[in-house]
Amino acid sequence: QSALTQPASVSGSPGQSITISCTGTSSDVGSYNLVSWYQQHPGKAPQLIIYEVYKRPSGVSSRFSGSKSGDTASLTISGLQAEDEADYYCCSYAGSNTLLFGGGTKLTV
Amino acid sequence: EVQLVESGGGLVQPGGSLRLSCAASGFTFSTYWMSWVRQAPGKGLEWVANIEQDGSEKYYVDSVKGRFTISRDNAKNSLYLQIHTLRAEDTAVYYCATRDFDWSLDNWGQGTLVTVSS
Repeated sequence: QSALTQPASVSGSPGQSITISCTGTSSDVGSYNLVSWYQQHPGKAPQLIIYEVYKRPSGVSSRFSGSKSGDTASLTISGLQAEDEADYYCCSYAGSNTLLFGGGTKLTV
Repeated sequence: EVQLVESGGGLVQPGGSLRLSCAASGFTFSTYWMSWVRQAPGKGLEWVANIEQDGSEKYYVDSVKGRFTISRDNAKNSLYLQIHTLRAEDTAVYYCATRDFDWSLDNWGQGTLVTVSS
């Protein structure tokens, strides 16, 4: 299976909002509300920030929100802060007990 | 506090083998599905394999089927990834992670680097 499609990079100024898209197919994103998002700072392990499309784990800022429409999921970060500068990855259940990641998006603040 | 600590990475020649380990603590290991995810240098994340709580069900990405084997020892709170016939394209940081019922990977280790080169 091909990776989910994400923009290679996005940028925004402090205080602004940005949205990162994640496009899959009817076999993955479109079929399951099992999309998660991960934040990865350079040299660090990924960290879960959104699960089941829009839910936030305890401790994750409410500035992070998720949504989905059809085969495309989205991550929105509002009130951008310098510490949000990182790589972001979407991930979807793809059936048959497999997972599929997006190619990743580099956020520059 | 959940802790996952990978080990076993290193420099291996093409065609060689390696066994990665992941030591788990701070949670009831035997009740969690576990996963391996890898990341080639400068590239994105790639899911590699999942294993059910008692080790009876195992699933792999197509590109590693037949060469990688995921296993676990619940008595030792440990997860393993046996890798055979290593290729240059297997060069990556390998992470272990807990897989929640909603298919999110909610806890990650710091990773272990595998370099395949002659």
